[in-house]
This record gives sequence, structure tokens and C-alpha cells, in this order.
Amino acid sequence: EPEVTQTPSHQVTQMGQEVILRCVPISNHLYFYWYRQILGQKVEFLVSFYNNEISEKSEIFDDQFSVERPDGSNFTLKIRSTKLEDSAMYFCASSVGGRYTEAFFGQGTRLTVV
Amino acid sequence: AQSVTQPDIHITVSEGASLELRCNYSYGATPYLFWYVQSPGQGLQLLLKYFSGDTLVQGIKGFEAEFKRSQSSFNLRKPSVHWSDAAEYFCAVGSQGAQKLVFGQGTRLTINP
Repeated sequence: EPEVTQTPSHQVTQMGQEVILRCVPISNHLYFYWYRQILGQKVEFLVSFYNNEISEKSEIFDDQFSVERPDGSNFTLKIRSTKLEDSAMYFCASSVGGRYTEAFFGQGTRLTVV
Repeated sequence: AQSVTQPDIHITVSEGASLELRCNYSYGATPYLFWYVQSPGQGLQLLLKYFSGDTLVQGIKGFEAEFKRSQSSFNLRKPSVHWSDAAEYFCAVGSQGAQKLVFGQGTRLTINP
């Protein structure tokens, strides 16, 4: 069964460093998403991406964040200068369509900023 | 704005007992509703979804959920739980005008042998 894969599963980084979280969505999917879950809190939407551009983003997704689909298969989330409060589980998801379709989630990357 | 409330943070049931996890949503139009499950170390797996039509929807692993518009609820049920059902369960709502999902806080399910 096709699945969304994320790497790495766990990343530890120093505050102020840049991190790139990587995702390989399901191959025939066209919509891509990043969500995050701070420990003990809700899963929160960050950004959706379609046709090589951001289609929707939350207020969390500020200038420190960026997304890219560099090679037609990977989908990345970059945090330019990490803060302690960026520590969270980050989930990538993809869907065939933007509406009336379900999103398939990866297993997540746990980011720890120290 | 959309919101989802899962009133029960933690529920414990005995193996073989029935289960109902509560979910209430706030949304002005017809919502798209989902239940996801997260086992330890795993991603979010879709259990079932409601878009339209029959308000009782069947999902994987023997789960079902009923959409009740009058109560703004989408409760998840299973007639007889198995030890492997121990996990975190998330209710989520989507909308026609947006692609994003809004999640509830999650309910952690523990199964007693």
C-alpha cells in the first residue's frame, strides 16, 4: 500500500540553526501539507501546497518557514532559524485532491530544539 | 472559525467492551469529518470519513461513526475493543472552502486486559 514517508524520524538541532524536514508524498497525489503537534497539544495545520505554490497557510507559518518541492517527488519544510518553541512532531500529508478527499499522513518527524 | 472538541482526554475500557469516543465540532456549513488513529511511533491513519449521504459511516478495524447535525457531533464507536485498539484517536473537521483539517485534542484509549 502506498504511504507517505518522512525523514528523519527524529532530529535534534541547536537553537538558531536551520533544519530541513523531508517528505515523500504518495506518487499520484497533487496536494501536500505540513502539520505540527507540540507535545500535549492539538495537531495544527501549517501549510498546504499545490501546483508548486502555497495554497493556504496558517498564522503559525511565518517567514521562518518555507516549503519546496525540489524534484517532483520530495516535499520539504525548512525552518530557517529554529526556536525552542519549534520543538514538535511535524507531520507531512498528501491527498489526491484538495476537497472531498482524505489526506494520508506520514509517521512524523520529531524535532527537538535545544 | 472551525473547531473540534474531544471532551475525553483519556478513556480506559476493558477488552471486549464497547467503546464510544465523543467529538463535537463547530462549523457553519456542512462539515467534512474524519477520525484518525495514531499508534505509538506511528503516523495518523484514517479510520473513517463523512462527506455527505448516510450519516452512519463504517470504517476500518470495525469502527463506525454517526454524524448528528442537530448535536454537532461525530462520535466514534466500536462494539467490542481489542487490545490492539490502544492508541490516540483524533477527530478532525474540514471545510468546502479550505483544504486544511482542524483537529481535536485527541483521546487516548487504554485497554485493560
